[in-house]
Amino acid sequence: SSELTQDPAVSVALGQTVRITCQGDSLRTYYASWYQQKPGQAPVLVFCGRNNRPSGIPDRFSGSTSGNAASLTITGARAEDEADYYCTSRDSSDDHLVFGTGTTVTVL
Amino acid sequence: QLQLQESGPGLVKASETLSLTCTVSGGSISGSDYYWGWLRQPPGKGLGWIGIIYNSGNSYYNPSLRSRVTVSVDTSKKQSSLNLRSVTAADTAVYYCARGGHFGDHVEAFDIWGRGTMVSVSS
Repeated sequence: SSELTQDPAVSVALGQTVRITCQGDSLRTYYASWYQQKPGQAPVLVFCGRNNRPSGIPDRFSGSTSGNAASLTITGARAEDEADYYCTSRDSSDDHLVFGTGTTVTVL
Repeated sequence: QLQLQESGPGLVKASETLSLTCTVSGGSISGSDYYWGWLRQPPGKGLGWIGIIYNSGNSYYNPSLRSRVTVSVDTSKKQSSLNLRSVTAADTAVYYCARGGHFGDHVEAFDIWGRGTMVSVSS
């Protein structure tokens, strides 16, 4: 089965822009979905597909995809955006899902 | 709005079966638009997918767990259940249930999650 790879950690200055990337063969066929997880809390869906932001998610969260990579961009990062972020997609074999390794975002 | 709540023992002995239930409230569990998933997160580690089940009964499992796991759904009780057999310490994790769905062509996601329940496996 395929895997999704993410950078372990990234940091961003308050108010600046940060991009979180996710790479894997499945992304050539399926769009990624992105989850934010804060310590001790359940994950929250923040973006999925080409342009799908769930109700209540700020528009500073956006996504993109190219080839075998997907990205989640936070434009104008805020302190409350500090969290772990995971990508996921359906596997290329079409019968199961795969999760990314996770990226810890630190807002400086 | 729709809410999910996991329930079950917080401690399971090694080699026994871990059984959890996810109860749905505030909305319908029926219909073909969504499926019900189980996921887990070992302490200090990343998220992992266990399995999903559609209301039709079709189910799909993580290949690494397929031989030990069963996920079921009971629409009349508005519940989904997880059974994980022959557990070891490696199965110690926070277990989540979540509602999944297709949000366009070639995209799916878990849009509603339970708060999770910690399950420890003792030797």
